[in-house]
Amino acid sequence: SYVLTQPPSVSVAPGKTAKITCGGNNIGDKSVHWYQQKPGQAPVVVVYDDTDRPSGIPERFSGSNSGNTATLTIIRVEVGDEADYYCQVWDSSGDRWVFGGGTELTVL
Amino acid sequence: QITLKESGPMLVKPTQTLTLTCTFSGFSLSTSGVGVGWIRQPPGEALEWLALIYWHDDKRYSPSLMSRLTITKDTSKNQVVLTMTNMDPVDTATYYCATQGLTMNDAFDFWGQGTLVSVSS
Repeated sequence: SYVLTQPPSVSVAPGKTAKITCGGNNIGDKSVHWYQQKPGQAPVVVVYDDTDRPSGIPERFSGSNSGNTATLTIIRVEVGDEADYYCQVWDSSGDRWVFGGGTELTVL
Repeated sequence: QITLKESGPMLVKPTQTLTLTCTFSGFSLSTSGVGVGWIRQPPGEALEWLALIYWHDDKRYSPSLMSRLTITKDTSKNQVVLTMTNMDPVDTATYYCATQGLTMNDAFDFWGQGTLVSVSS
């Protein structure tokens, strides 16, 4: 079955850049979505189809996807960006949607 | 304005069947390309996709849980129902329903607030 691997945690200072990776076999051939989930809240899409950003999501959030790694990049990180972030793809061979294990972003 | 809300029991006993209802507004599940899915999240753990039903009644299930899940829709009531049989304490989780295909291809674009279901005797 298809597995998405994320680092459990990423720490960054305010104003700096955070990069959250999502590893998967030839993930570059798939369309990756990224979700932000704050404590006690439902997930929210921050990037979809690798690089697109929903309306209302700051331009500080961007995505890339190539080879075996997709990356969510947050520039000029703010305290309000502290959250868990999940990547997601469609696994066509398994006929299922797959989420990564999630990355906790801490803003020091 | 698109809203979804999950409802169902907060507590079920082991071996019982769980029935959850997602009641939504602001869109129609008869619109081409639209789906409603269920995703769960055990306390402190990651998201797990469970099932999804499309506007044309096509259904998809998590292979690992397929034998226990049934998803149905009632377009006239704007509801999607998920049943999960033979509940176990490991099924304790927050259960979310979410739309797919409204605005972002196959991302889950709008979510309900979730409902916490505990499994205990």
